[in-house]
Amino acid sequence: QQQVKQSPQSLIVQKGGISIINCAYENTAFDYFPWYQQFPGKGPALLIAIRPDVSEKKEGRFTISFNKSAKQFSLHIMDSQPGDSATYFCAASGARGQFYFGTGTSLTVIP
Amino acid sequence: GAVVSQHPSRVICKSGTSVKIECRSLDFQATTMFWYRQFPKKSLMLMATSNEGSKATYEQGVEKDKFLINHASLTLSTLTVTSAHPEDSSFYICSARDPRAPDTQYFGPGTRLTVL
Repeated sequence: QQQVKQSPQSLIVQKGGISIINCAYENTAFDYFPWYQQFPGKGPALLIAIRPDVSEKKEGRFTISFNKSAKQFSLHIMDSQPGDSATYFCAASGARGQFYFGTGTSLTVIP
Repeated sequence: GAVVSQHPSRVICKSGTSVKIECRSLDFQATTMFWYRQFPKKSLMLMATSNEGSKATYEQGVEKDKFLINHASLTLSTLTVTSAHPEDSSFYICSARDPRAPDTQYFGPGTRLTVL
C-alpha cells in the first residue's frame, strides 16, 4: 500500500521555468514532510522539509506548499536549471520517525 | 551537514553466500538508523528501523532471518543479507537520524548488490 502518492512520474521543463511536483497522503498522523533529491547511483539528499503547522516554506529556489485539509503538499523549483535534473522524492514521517516515500519524479531540465 | 557512509559501494556475490553492508555516521552519534531497498527507477522501500542496543523493527513483509540488522554502536549499523539469491539484487541505502536535527534523516551513498 502506497502511503504517499506522488505525481507526475516524469517532468520536462525548460531552463528558467518552474518545476512543480505534487504529493498526497492519507495518514493524518504524519507530522513531517521532507523532499529529497537523488542523482543516479547516489543516496537521496535532503532539499527542504515542512511541518503541517506551516502552509509554505521557501529556501532559495525551492518552495514547499502544504495544504493540511487536503492532505497534499508540493515542491516548486523556481528558475529550474539543467543541474536540477534528478529524481525527486517526497516523504512523510510516521510516529517512529520512519519515512514513507512517494514513487519519485524524474525531472529533466532542458537548456 | 551530517555525513553518513556505506561500505562497500558495490558488491557482487554468488547465490547462497551472505553479504554484510556497513552504515556509519561519521560526524554524529545516531541512536536510530534506517535501512531501505530501492529497485531501478523505483522508490525507496523502508525495510527496518535500527535502534542502538536493541532489536530492529522490521516492516511488514521483510524477512527478519533473511535481512539481519545489527546496531552495535552509536555510529555503526550493519545489514547482512543471508543466503543471497538473484532476487535480492538491489540498491540498499541506509539513513541515520542526527539528534541535533531529529526530524530528518541523512542518507548514505548506497550499496549496489548483485547476486549471480
